[in-house]
Amino acid sequence: DIQMTQSPSSLSSSVGDRVTITCRASQSIRGYLNWYQQKPGKAPKLLIYVASRLQSGVPSRFSGSGSETDYTLTISSLQPEDFATYYCQQSYSSPFTFGPGTKVDIK
Amino acid sequence: HLQLQESGPGLVKPSETLSLTCTVSGDSIISITYFWGWIRQPPGKGLEWIGTIHYSGDIYYNPSLKSRVTVSVDTSKNQFSLKLNSVTAADTAVYYCARHNYGVDNWFDPWGQGTLVTVSS
Repeated sequence: DIQMTQSPSSLSSSVGDRVTITCRASQSIRGYLNWYQQKPGKAPKLLIYVASRLQSGVPSRFSGSGSETDYTLTISSLQPEDFATYYCQQSYSSPFTFGPGTKVDIK
Repeated sequence: HLQLQESGPGLVKPSETLSLTCTVSGDSIISITYFWGWIRQPPGKGLEWIGTIHYSGDIYYNPSLKSRVTVSVDTSKNQFSLKLNSVTAADTAVYYCARHNYGVDNWFDPWGQGTLVTVSS
């Protein structure tokens, strides 16, 4: 199985801050990386797929980049509704595995 | 728009079988393009893909659960189901169903709201 790690595990930021979350795969996943946002008590929501493609309806302040084993999710200007946990998921090979999550909370 | 809703018992005894159903509304489960998946999340922990099915009957399982899992589809009811047998406390989790773009970009979207299943005597 491909193992996914994320850093940091949590971070505290203020509204308007630029936030970057990193995801690393245990082997090359050739850009097949998805990002999800999960708010407390809610289901995850797809934000970005194939590393950098924004899902329909997702604000443009979210962006993704990366290749091979290393990927980033960037929120250009953090908004109050962005405080949540973010998960990466490799979509390169089965079983499809998720990172442990990065919790973004209010400073 | 497409919506998914999980249903089933919230409490299952150890060694018994967990059974859940996902009802799809707003679109047909009969889709050439899309598959339908199950993902779970133990309380306070991360996400684990369980298995995925196509209306045609193609099924893919996480090897870590494959020996205990059965996923099936009922096109007449626009539903798909999950059975997990011989459950233990480690199977306590919120179980989600989701549309799965299998074999292409392999994303999950949208998701159902999730249902908490507790394994306890």
